Amino acid sequence: KAGVTQTPRYLIKTRGQQVTLSCSPISGHRSVSWYQQTPGQGLQFLFEYFSETQRNKGNFPGRFSGRQFSNSRSEMNVSTLELGDSALYLCASSAWGVVGEQYFGPGTRLTVT
Amino acid sequence: ELKVEQNPLFLSMQEGKNYTIYCNYSTTSDRLYWYRQDPGKSLESLFVLLSNGAVKQEGRLMASLDTKARLSTLHITAAVHDLSATYFCAVDISHQGAQKLVFGQGTRLTINP
Repeated sequence: KAGVTQTPRYLIKTRGQQVTLSCSPISGHRSVSWYQQTPGQGLQFLFEYFSETQRNKGNFPGRFSGRQFSNSRSEMNVSTLELGDSALYLCASSAWGVVGEQYFGPGTRLTVT
Repeated sequence: ELKVEQNPLFLSMQEGKNYTIYCNYSTTSDRLYWYRQDPGKSLESLFVLLSNGAVKQEGRLMASLDTKARLSTLHITAAVHDLSATYFCAVDISHQGAQKLVFGQGTRLTINP
């Protein structure tokens, strides 16, 4: 079974631009969560989607948004990029009703200059 | 607000020695996970602890959970260089199916020959 895939793997953007990151979960998984990892703040929860609905959201500004499609693939968007948005963005997928099994993708390394 | 605190944050040890990483958290939860992260890589699931008193072992690593003390430990026995990595604990505060993990700061473990 293929794992969680994320595209692109690396991205360089300029302040003020916007970016869209993509995550394809493991086949059959309907929950997708997004996390931001930075050296200063560590791993922080962004949001979680299930069946195209956002069920949970972390403490991030409205510039961070996401969506999920009917095939469970998810995208997150960051608008008006700031230098502090430079981070590794990880998505994780899990199967409905299965506690404890979140599988993380390889991440997208975003650098904002 | 839930806090998850790991200690130590940095650990340098010699091969063959034993050591323990501690993970304290500030809210009621009976689900806690341990992950390993190698530099530039994603998170690899190590242990899923789903009840008070749970103990899991894999090779030289053993994890336990005491929900009453809100404490989990990751014990390393007879360390080898291959175990050098950053280790994260994560408390599962998913509610009514909406997934959310809160991570500790991570413990950077370096094992010297």
